[in-house]
Amino acid sequence: RKEVEQDPGPFNVPEGATVAFNCTYSNSASQSFFWYRQDCRKEPKLLMSVYSSGNEDGRFTAQLNRASQYISLLIRDSKLSDSATYLCVVNTGNQFYFGTGTSLTVIP
Amino acid sequence: GAVVSQHPSRVICKSGTSVKIECRSLDFQATTMFWYRQFPKQSLMLMATSNEGSKATYEQGVEKDKFLINHASLTLSTLTVTSAHPEDSSFYICSAFPGSTEAFFGQGTRLTVV
Repeated sequence: RKEVEQDPGPFNVPEGATVAFNCTYSNSASQSFFWYRQDCRKEPKLLMSVYSSGNEDGRFTAQLNRASQYISLLIRDSKLSDSATYLCVVNTGNQFYFGTGTSLTVIP
Repeated sequence: GAVVSQHPSRVICKSGTSVKIECRSLDFQATTMFWYRQFPKQSLMLMATSNEGSKATYEQGVEKDKFLINHASLTLSTLTVTSAHPEDSSFYICSAFPGSTEAFFGQGTRLTVV
């Protein structure tokens, strides 16, 4: 079983839509959780960390469910500039494990 | 914030030659660095964990004699692709993290073997 599983998509949504991504992880001892954004041919960059209590940054909301071992990312009011691949990243024992990434295209 | 610098960003080499990629942590010491490979439209795949002053730990299926990793100082890890072949063409990227915070990534190296 993979350490991190993520629906690769693609998700094609109109501007202004709300879109949600989920990601599951296999190791209950995982310590830290993140969402990274990767643009084509570029390195991943941190979008936001995910905290147990859930956290919000503008149009982005991240949630963690330790009991079910999944994390989610919600994007409200999608912009064209949100088009990218979103990677779920889990830190387990000082190793970082990546999901396959979910491709998002926001359509005018 | 923490910065990881990777060089070169792009390299084209002939089949059979070796290519060295450098990864530097610019404002923190990294006892551990990670090397990933990403094929087109696929996820980042961990190749190996580079440990300062000791041997790297390779993931299953990654040939240690082909992908030589040297982590000679707390701020520098190098990945050498030996006797490169066209199937080694990929996007190679390193990362490091200062303790238990987020991982920081180098800019990546796009290797094309012709």
